[in-house]
Amino acid sequence: DIVMNQTPLSSPVTLGQPASISCRSSQSLVHSDGNTYLSWLQQRPGQPPRLLIYELSNRFSGVPDRFSGGGAGTYFTLRISRVEAEDLGVYYCMQSTQFPYTFGQGTKLEIK
Amino acid sequence: EVRLVESGGGVVQPGGSLRLSCVASGFTFSKSWMHWVRQAPGKGLVWVSRVDDGGSSTTYADSVRGRFTISRDNAKNTLYLQMNSLRAEDTAIYYCASLSGGYWGQGTLVTVSS
Repeated sequence: DIVMNQTPLSSPVTLGQPASISCRSSQSLVHSDGNTYLSWLQQRPGQPPRLLIYELSNRFSGVPDRFSGGGAGTYFTLRISRVEAEDLGVYYCMQSTQFPYTFGQGTKLEIK
Repeated sequence: EVRLVESGGGVVQPGGSLRLSCVASGFTFSKSWMHWVRQAPGKGLVWVSRVDDGGSSTTYADSVRGRFTISRDNAKNTLYLQMNSLRAEDTAIYYCASLSGGYWGQGTLVTVSS
């Protein structure tokens, strides 16, 4: 199985400031079709997960442009250019290149 | 508007069975792979199973293979998860999702306890 390792597990942030979350996979996530099936999801308290970024760097419909995804191979990042109060919650990376799909442990974004 | 509505959760004794359902609307269900993902209380997300768009191909996590069965009825826009031989460690919120479409349900809670 592909292991997804997120850092940090907790990220105190100041509203209006940038934030970054890293995710490292134990194997390359480049699929045989050439795509990298790495997604980022947000989960607010008491809510189901919500897709933010798919296939490494594509923002899902309705996601603010302050969210961006990048990386390559086995190292990936989610960046928030200016954190807003509604961004607080837990963020997960997920690989869907190979079964079983696997998630990172989650990174809790909280106010400093 | 896309909706995924799960039902069927509840409290069951170890060794018991439950059948979860998920009714989809607002997107072309019959053309979407569908998944079950679970989340134990206070823990992270864990992928459980998937079924292809036609229902002929299924995949399971090792932890549930042989005990859980995923299926779908495209005429009813409904996804199912039959869970047998339930264990305490299966206690979780179970979400149905079209992962490629970015759609998630609100989840249904399964509690396995004597």
